[in-house]
Amino acid sequence: GENVEQHPSTLSVQEGDSAVIKCTYSDSASNYFPWYKQELGKGPQLIIDIRSNVGEKKDQRIAVTLNKTAKHFSLHITETQPEDSAVYFCAASIPGYSTLTFGKGTMLLVSP
Amino acid sequence: NAGVTQTPKFQVLKTGQSMTLQCAQDMNHNSMYWYRQDPGMGLRLIYYSASEGTTDKGEVPNGYNVSRLNKREFSLRLESAAPSQTSVYFCATGQGLGTNEKLFFGSGTQLSVL
Repeated sequence: GENVEQHPSTLSVQEGDSAVIKCTYSDSASNYFPWYKQELGKGPQLIIDIRSNVGEKKDQRIAVTLNKTAKHFSLHITETQPEDSAVYFCAASIPGYSTLTFGKGTMLLVSP
Repeated sequence: NAGVTQTPKFQVLKTGQSMTLQCAQDMNHNSMYWYRQDPGMGLRLIYYSASEGTTDKGEVPNGYNVSRLNKREFSLRLESAAPSQTSVYFCATGQGLGTNEKLFFGSGTQLSVL
């Protein structure tokens, strides 16, 4: 099955800096790569996703890039704010009747 | 519009006790999932239901059973709780497997087994 590795496990940045979280996947058939944000005491919430026919997708301060050859994808957050502090999960899925495989998560702390 | 509702929010059990975690959704979604979240382990799939009447094992099904009672409700049962089942449990829903679907999560149940 699919295996997703996520790095780093924790990331501390100053407000206004950029943050980058990286994930690698094992199955080249995977074609869908979502990112979820989990705030303290809440369930994860989808913030952005990308499909394998697209190399980059952007939504305001967040962007995701995908390198199919290297089998890795990354989340980029620019101009970080304290409210960006949360745990972020990447995931991947294979086409057809398949479930999402999640990475182990990255705790992002943005200091004022 | 509640979305995905999990009950209870907190529970403490003694080893060997049984309990059922409840999940209900009002989003008219076909698929429902149970995940557990442990420190450093991310989200691991316990069981899922692609549609009413079907259930399948996920990555870590041992020690659990599920019931898809109807389209709205998907319950997770621990027949004989063990300390290793101390975790935060999340229910999630999606429009349907195979569609690269967006998942919607409940707010979780924090379970401690002593």
